[in-house]
Amino acid sequence: RKEVEQDPGPFNVPEGATVAFNCTYSNSASQSFFWYRQDCRKEPKLLMSVYSSGNEDGRFTAQLNRASQYISLLIRDSKLSDSATYLCVVNTGFQKLVFGTGTRLLVSP
Amino acid sequence: DGGITQSPKYLFRKEGQNVTLSCEQNLNHDAMYWYRQDPGQGLRLIYYSQIVNDFQKGDIAEGYSVSREKKESFPLTVTSAQKNPTAFYLCASSGDGRYGYTFGSGTRLTVV
Repeated sequence: RKEVEQDPGPFNVPEGATVAFNCTYSNSASQSFFWYRQDCRKEPKLLMSVYSSGNEDGRFTAQLNRASQYISLLIRDSKLSDSATYLCVVNTGFQKLVFGTGTRLLVSP
Repeated sequence: DGGITQSPKYLFRKEGQNVTLSCEQNLNHDAMYWYRQDPGQGLRLIYYSQIVNDFQKGDIAEGYSVSREKKESFPLTVTSAQKNPTAFYLCASSGDGRYGYTFGSGTRLTVV
């Protein structure tokens, strides 16, 4: 079983739609969690950290469920510029992050 | 501005040659990492270093070597022993894993 698993997609949604991605992780001792965004042929960039109580940043909401070992990202009112690959990332300890393979999102006009 | 710089952006290598990819950071981060990304795939860890003069193998270290003589620098050498070196190479640094990594803009290596 992979340490971090994501649905590769692509998720094709129209502008203005709400879309959600889930990610599961296998190490119950994982300490911190993140969502990164990666544009085509570019480096990943930190989108947001994921806190136990859930957190929101504008149109983006992240949730963590430790009991079920999954993380989610909700994007409301999708924009064309949201088209990218979203990477689920887990800190398993000792400053070592494990990356999921990413979920591709395509937002169309 | 603080950041992490990789060079060159594009690199072409002939088969049988060693090449070195540069990674420099001025974020005062202790930890640095090298990842490889192949088309349509996730990031795979090659080597990482949590402190100067110390580094550890990642999941796919064969055919690669690194050094960490200075806190700011973590160069990666792709040796001729690496069978499939064509890929996108990403360097990252971290001061504290709680806050994620900062990535450089990557080096795209092609073997010709």
